[in-house]
Amino acid sequence: EVQLLESGGGLVQPGGSLRLSCAASGFIFSSYAMSWVRQAPGKGLEWVSSVTSSGGSTYYADSVKGRFTISRDNSKNTLSLQMNSLRAEDTAVYYCAKNVQAVAGSFEYWGQGTLVIVSS
Amino acid sequence: DIQMTQSPSSLSASVGDRVTITCRASQGISNDLGWYQQKPGKAPKRLIYAASSLQSGVPSRFSGSGSGTEFTLTISSLQPEDFATYYCLQHNSYPITFGQGTRLEIK
Repeated sequence: EVQLLESGGGLVQPGGSLRLSCAASGFIFSSYAMSWVRQAPGKGLEWVSSVTSSGGSTYYADSVKGRFTISRDNSKNTLSLQMNSLRAEDTAVYYCAKNVQAVAGSFEYWGQGTLVIVSS
Repeated sequence: DIQMTQSPSSLSASVGDRVTITCRASQGISNDLGWYQQKPGKAPKRLIYAASSLQSGVPSRFSGSGSGTEFTLTISSLQPEDFATYYCLQHNSYPITFGQGTRLEIK
């Protein structure tokens, strides 16, 4: 059974940093691209970032480019999102998602999400 | 960037109704489209992939069609558990983009 478990969310001040993690199990982690998707309170879904199966290529939404860094550790089956220079508009539930392919593809499985609140 | 225009943004329907939700892509995306259902406080769940393939375990009353720029999600006979918000997603090219969502409410 595929399981994705996010952690690391919380309350942070504007300009601060936070690191999210996603522990994956139930599939061959190193074979699939992984992604982060967020949802601001009462809003729709927004793709944030993706990383290919090897970690060799990364992709970012313009809204987070230069501030967020996605990475993965295939030896530990873990996906991470380092978030710097956080803004109020980054407040959202952040979901980890498993892609269906090594490079891209749609999101087949999702974690339960972790809430990030950026506020003073 | 590929824009996904989803309509309607909200829809009121009754149990047993047939409903259709549409997504239009700003440029051709082949069949690189999925449909997701989200209930309050829960993660999205994939219903349809590759525009028309039914995800394992999803009831057959859900179906998808389309290719290129026009896509539809159809629920043939609404059940009480189907009242939720639905999103389309294109993964043909980065940035990956979602439709704005359709909130399906009980009439």
